[in-house]
Amino acid sequence: EADIYQTPRYLVIGTGKKITLECSQTMGHDKMYWYQQDPGMELHLIHYSYGVNSTEKGDLSSESTVSRIRTEHFPLTLESARPSHTSQYLCASSGQMNTEAFFGQGTRLTVV
Amino acid sequence: QKEVEQDPGPLSVPEGAIVSLNCTYSNSAFQYFMWYRQYSRKGPELLMYTYSSGNKEDGRFTAQVDKSSKYISLFIRDSQPSDSATYLCAMISYNDYKLSFGAGTTVTVRA
Repeated sequence: EADIYQTPRYLVIGTGKKITLECSQTMGHDKMYWYQQDPGMELHLIHYSYGVNSTEKGDLSSESTVSRIRTEHFPLTLESARPSHTSQYLCASSGQMNTEAFFGQGTRLTVV
Repeated sequence: QKEVEQDPGPLSVPEGAIVSLNCTYSNSAFQYFMWYRQYSRKGPELLMYTYSSGNKEDGRFTAQVDKSSKYISLFIRDSQPSDSATYLCAMISYNDYKLSFGAGTTVTVRA
């Protein structure tokens, strides 16, 4: 079983609030990813990192930011949440030899 | 044009049938190929992973890769109602490490 954890699992927050979604993995993976997925829709890559102090924007434009100060930790921050940010956010990680990627259980965010 | 195209579905098959799922890709830098299963409101679960052309079998699942044609497939034999889910193909590029997904195919296995 994959050791990648996301917190919180569910979050309801008011418009304009700052939020940070946490993602941690204990597998020593160098690559980590954030995806956004609306119900019944496809995954969209919003950020990824191939190592400490590296971050890249994904295919889907996002108002969120990420940081990668430690190998095991890849938090995603929204400075000012809006209802359009309501979605499921999924974190994944992959090992050094481009091995298979594992997902966390996701954070379901609702902005009211 | 998307880098990864997946047959959209949905697919509905009777129990015991063979399910065939397909993806094509355009980026030659994709070197590692995966299939995921996703149940509603859950994170994707890795089913199979391969990096070479040919077939790889794991129980009722067979993953097939044809790098010359840029085509991958997943076959599910003796399908069960518990196989009902959305199946996603995914690929990692060796030069920028992006993990790219197909849009997913929803499969329903009827008892």
